[in-house]
Formats: sequence, C-alpha cells, structure tokens
Amino acid sequence: QVQLEEWGPGLVKPSETLSLTCSVSGGSASSGNYFWSWIRQPPGKGLEWIAYVYETGSTSYNASLRSRATISLDTSKNQLSLKLTSVTAADTAVYFCAREGAHGAFEIWGQGTKVSVSS
Amino acid sequence: EIVLRQSPGTLFLSVGERATLSCRASQTVPNNFLAWYQQKPGQAPTLLIYGASTRATAIADRFSGSGSGTDFTLTITRLEPEDFAVYYCQQYGSSQLTFGGGSKVEIK
Repeated sequence: QVQLEEWGPGLVKPSETLSLTCSVSGGSASSGNYFWSWIRQPPGKGLEWIAYVYETGSTSYNASLRSRATISLDTSKNQLSLKLTSVTAADTAVYFCAREGAHGAFEIWGQGTKVSVSS
Repeated sequence: EIVLRQSPGTLFLSVGERATLSCRASQTVPNNFLAWYQQKPGQAPTLLIYGASTRATAIADRFSGSGSGTDFTLTITRLEPEDFAVYYCQQYGSSQLTFGGGSKVEIK
C-alpha cells in the first residue's frame, strides 16, 4: 500500500524559495507510469492543483504558477519535490502531494504540510 | 483551462435525506475524466468517483456520479452522519488539471 508523507519548513519569509518534499513508502516511485502531483489549499479555501510530473520526467504546471514552480521526481530516493520561488502571503496553504490511480484521478494523498509565509 | 463551477455552495440537509451536487464545466471535459472528492476538516481529500460515474475502491454505494460533457452530478442517496463534509469535483481530461470551488453539505 503506497503511502505519501510531505514535509517542509513550516514558515517561509516573503520573497524566499519554498522547498517541499514528499516521501513515497510502500512502493516505488518508478513503477506503474503514474503522474505525481502537488496540490495546495489556502486556509478556508478550495483545492488548487500546482503541477504534476510523470516518471519519465515530463511535467505540466498550473499556468498561474508556471513561472515560479518546479516539480521533480527522484526515483532513486523515492521522493517528489516542489520548489516555489518568490513566495508571498498568498502562498500560505496546506500543501498536499498526490498520486493518480490507474484511472487518472488522485487516488493516494499525503496528509498535507502547512506552510505559512510571513516575515 | 477548463473552469469548474459547483453548486450549491452550501447544502443544508438532514441525516437520511438525498444530496444532489452539481459541477458544470466551461467546456467539454475530455473523455468525461471527471472525479469527485470528499474532504473533512483537517484531512486530505478522499476520492469518491472517477470517470464521472465509477465508484472508487471501498466507497459506499449511496454515492453515485452521473453526467457527461459539461454537466456532472454527485448524488448521495441517504445521508449518513459521516457524509457531512465538503465535496470537490476535478477534471483530469486536460493537461491543466482543475478543481471546482467545492460544495459543503451541512447538517440542517
């Protein structure tokens, strides 16, 4: 049973770069041809997809975040990563990593990691 | 980008009642790749329905999805206490994945 666990800094200063990691356990990040995504949820608001990466390395980004976000999959470490540059208070959110199922929808989710942007 | 609009924003119902949630897309969702998720406070979303109408593993049969093209519906036939939550639709038919704004089912 694949499980995902995110971790991050908790607090980031405005204009800095946010780095998040999602650890994959109970399975391999390099098997099955799955898409791996980051999704975020600002406090009291809805879900926003950020980006996905395929295990071949191909990526897709939310157009509104493309210039600041970089997603990567390290199959040797079984980890998914996200970097978001030039953060502002609007980037304050719970960040989830998720993997699609064979059908394409997000079948497996991490528990989320809370990130606050504040000086 | 395919914009998904969910209605109503909040639905006030009692245990045992039927809930009908709508998700309308700004353009046709390719292959009806439309999913529904349930989210409870402090938790990650849980996949309920994919492909517009297929229940995910271990999801109770009181949850059903229908629709195609641009209009989709999630129906909960008899609300149980644990069903009071926020529900999101999401399309994965295009490379720009999008979520609807959510519908909250609250106890009346």
